Amino acid sequence: GAGVSQSPSNKVTEKGKDVELRCDPISGHTALYWYRQSLGQGLEFLIYFQGNSAPDKSGLPSDRFSAERTGGSVSTLTIQRTQQEDSAVYLCASSPRRAGTTGELFFGEGSRLTVL
Amino acid sequence: AQRVTQPEKLLSVFKGAPVELKCNYSYSGSPELFWYVQYSRQRLQLLLRHISRESIKGFTADLNKGETSFHLKKPFAQEEDSAMYYCALLPMNYGGSQGNLIFGKGTKLSVKP
Repeated sequence: GAGVSQSPSNKVTEKGKDVELRCDPISGHTALYWYRQSLGQGLEFLIYFQGNSAPDKSGLPSDRFSAERTGGSVSTLTIQRTQQEDSAVYLCASSPRRAGTTGELFFGEGSRLTVL
Repeated sequence: AQRVTQPEKLLSVFKGAPVELKCNYSYSGSPELFWYVQYSRQRLQLLLRHISRESIKGFTADLNKGETSFHLKKPFAQEEDSAMYYCALLPMNYGGSQGNLIFGKGTKLSVKP
């Protein structure tokens, strides 16, 4: 595709439900990142994949959050038993290689999650 | 701890006025620094990186290691510069990068006509 694709673009759910957010990176990009964007909190790092492995999961806020990546491509971020404080825009980004060589991440449009 | 601080949540200037968006960082090593921008209803995108020493859309940023700052400047702001600006740090070590960009909380720039 032309860019990083995320779905759904908007998700409204009830507290306690599970949600899955999907990210389809740019073809050939080996690195994939999840960030959370909240009002007043900026961009909060969640997890980073290099290929299918996640060398850095340090940003996941609790064990309700998990992510996987299969085939070195699509990634899914799962939030179990959602809470109101999970409401945010979840951004996915990909990079052709480890960001250290260019620092350029290509971002999707985000998935806006609202937990009622 | 690695940290990026953008002290201003909102910066409002008039068209044609100079603008400076502040960014300070905390990192014991030698980082790479970047500015990302998000225009209304658009994706977050790279604006510039310090290693390139480039000027993009009239913006420049100089890395000051003594002050641990990487402020973004433009001599004459335009209305189309109105956007959310994020400063980001990439920790570097002798083995190469650590792969994860650390972002500040962002500054919303509003350029009034």
